[in-house]
Amino acid sequence: DAKTTQPNSMESNEEEPVHLPCNHSTISGTDYIHWYRQLPSQGPEYVIHGLTSNVNNRMASLAIAEDRKSSTLILHRATLRDAAVYYCILIRYGNKLVFGAGTILRVKS
Amino acid sequence: DAGVIQSPRHEVTEMGQEVTLRCKPISGHNSLFWYRQTMMRGLELLIYFNNNVPIDDSGMPEDRFSAKMPNASFSTLKIQPSEPRDSAVYFCASGPEIRLYGYTFGSGTRLTVV
Repeated sequence: DAKTTQPNSMESNEEEPVHLPCNHSTISGTDYIHWYRQLPSQGPEYVIHGLTSNVNNRMASLAIAEDRKSSTLILHRATLRDAAVYYCILIRYGNKLVFGAGTILRVKS
Repeated sequence: DAGVIQSPRHEVTEMGQEVTLRCKPISGHNSLFWYRQTMMRGLELLIYFNNNVPIDDSGMPEDRFSAKMPNASFSTLKIQPSEPRDSAVYFCASGPEIRLYGYTFGSGTRLTVV
């Protein structure tokens, strides 16, 4: 499984944008970049995914570096409900979703 | 769409007893996954099925654990005999073509073995 590296924790102020980084230097050409989050006492939740181009959805934006060796999940206006563990995961053909330690995001009011 | 449904939500059992966890995936999803989460080890993939067939069970900790998917709408994870170290939250997730979309997770079963 391709490895990703994320900061252990980050802190943000409410109503401000948050940029969550992820390094994946060993990414291969067919690996998709997925982001999930897990709110306290809940199961993981799909956030967004991409292959090469930047992606936007109602929850977040995903910015992918041109060489694909890193990506950034962008929450445009953090709320207290966005406090969670955020996981960056690479998925190769075969569909295995393997979670790392993720980034704990704390949002201050 | 009711989402991925897991039962029971909580299970407390005595060491040595058999435990069966149940999962109903979202209709139309052809992949199903079982995960275990503990504070020490995080989220671990135990097994996954594609079109009801087990594809990878390398994460199943030992022979005490077994999983079945008799049809597209039902899966079980069984622990026999259970041990205190099996205490964890067990999640089931389902999805279509996972790389192109994403998984949907159930709410989990919190298992406590005393």
